[in-house]
Order: sequence, then structure tokens, then C-alpha cells
Amino acid sequence: AQTVTQSQPEMSVQEAETVTLSCTYDTSENNYYLFWYKQPPSRQMILVIRQEAYKQQNATENRFSVNFQKAAKSFSLKISDSQLGDTAMYFCAFMGTGTASKLTFGTGTRLQVTL
Amino acid sequence: DVKVTQSSRYLVKRTGEKVFLECVQDMDHENMFWYRQDPGLGLRLIYFSYDVKMKEKGDIPEGYSVSREKKERFSLILESASTNQTSMYLCASKGISSYNEQFFGPGTRLTVL
Repeated sequence: AQTVTQSQPEMSVQEAETVTLSCTYDTSENNYYLFWYKQPPSRQMILVIRQEAYKQQNATENRFSVNFQKAAKSFSLKISDSQLGDTAMYFCAFMGTGTASKLTFGTGTRLQVTL
Repeated sequence: DVKVTQSSRYLVKRTGEKVFLECVQDMDHENMFWYRQDPGLGLRLIYFSYDVKMKEKGDIPEGYSVSREKKERFSLILESASTNQTSMYLCASKGISSYNEQFFGPGTRLTVL
């Protein structure tokens, strides 16, 4: 079974600074997908960024980028130029390529962006 | 604009009651999921469905059942609610491709007294 570990329960960053959220996972599969989801306070969970394991290039979406290290089974999220609206719970998630492609989530990192 | 809706944002029930949580998606997605979210535990999969009338147990199915009579609707049922089922419940749906993201509903915060 796959497991996803987020070792930072809470983090804080000042506005305009850069922050990196850590995620490691364990799997015996060779092909899979990794995701970062964001859950703002009292709002719906939304996808931030995804990475396909067979792609070596790290995914980027505007101020969000990942550092995907397949051999180390590491998938960190970097947020550049942090904004107050980035305050949220961030969940790292793993998806295999089997039936229904279930997501396995980490326990989350609560990020607070301060002035 | 894609949409997953859940019947209630907040729900308070008593121990032993039968509870229905409803989820509807308008994206014609094949796959639908029910998770519960607890502090420090992240999201845990209760049940999922990959087609109408099909269901599969997730990681924590005990005390729950589901129903999917129509493609757009996926119901979570607590046959006899207990206090340890007090939690946030999230529904999600996904298209058939593995690449597709899961789209989440707003969640139902259930309190069992």
C-alpha cells in the first residue's frame, strides 16, 4: 500500500517570501501521479499542481512549482512571492494507475502567510 | 464551470440515527469518492464508485454504506450514527483518465451527539 508523509504540520511565511512544503511517499509502482491540493479556510479543496512520475521535468504553475525526486520519493511544493490568499491547508496526494485511481493523502500542512 | 455539491454544510444528529449524506456532480464523471477529514489524519477514503451501482470499500468503510443509483449522485449512509463518526465528510468526482484531477465538494461537517 502507498503511504504519503507530510512532516510539517504547520508553517508560517511572510508575504512576498518563498516557502517550501515537504512531502515524501512510498510505493512500489513505477508509474504514478502526484498532486498538491489546497484547502483554504472554510472553502473547497482545489488542485494546485500535478506531476506525472514518468516526466523528469518539474511541474510549474505560476508561483507554484515542485521539486520531484523520483529516486528519493520526494515531492516538495515551493510557493514563491507568497500572498495572503495562500493561507490554507496543503495536502500532498499520490495516485496510482490502477482501477478508479484512488488518491492517498498526507496529513496536511497548515500554511499561514503573515504581513 | 465544474461543480460538486453536497446536500448540507452542517449537520447535527443523535447517536443511533440513520444519516444520509448526498453528493451530486454535473461533470458526467464515472468515478465518485467519499472521504472523511480529521485533524492530524488528513483525508481517508471511505468508499468509492467507478460506475452506476458499483461500489468499492476504501480504507475505513466500517460503519458506512453507499448507494449510486444514478451516475451523477453518490450517497453516503451511516446506518446507526456514533459519536466517533463526528467529522468533516468530503465528496469528490473524477473522470475516467488517471490524469484527471479529483474535484471536491464543499464538505459536510457532521456532529453526532
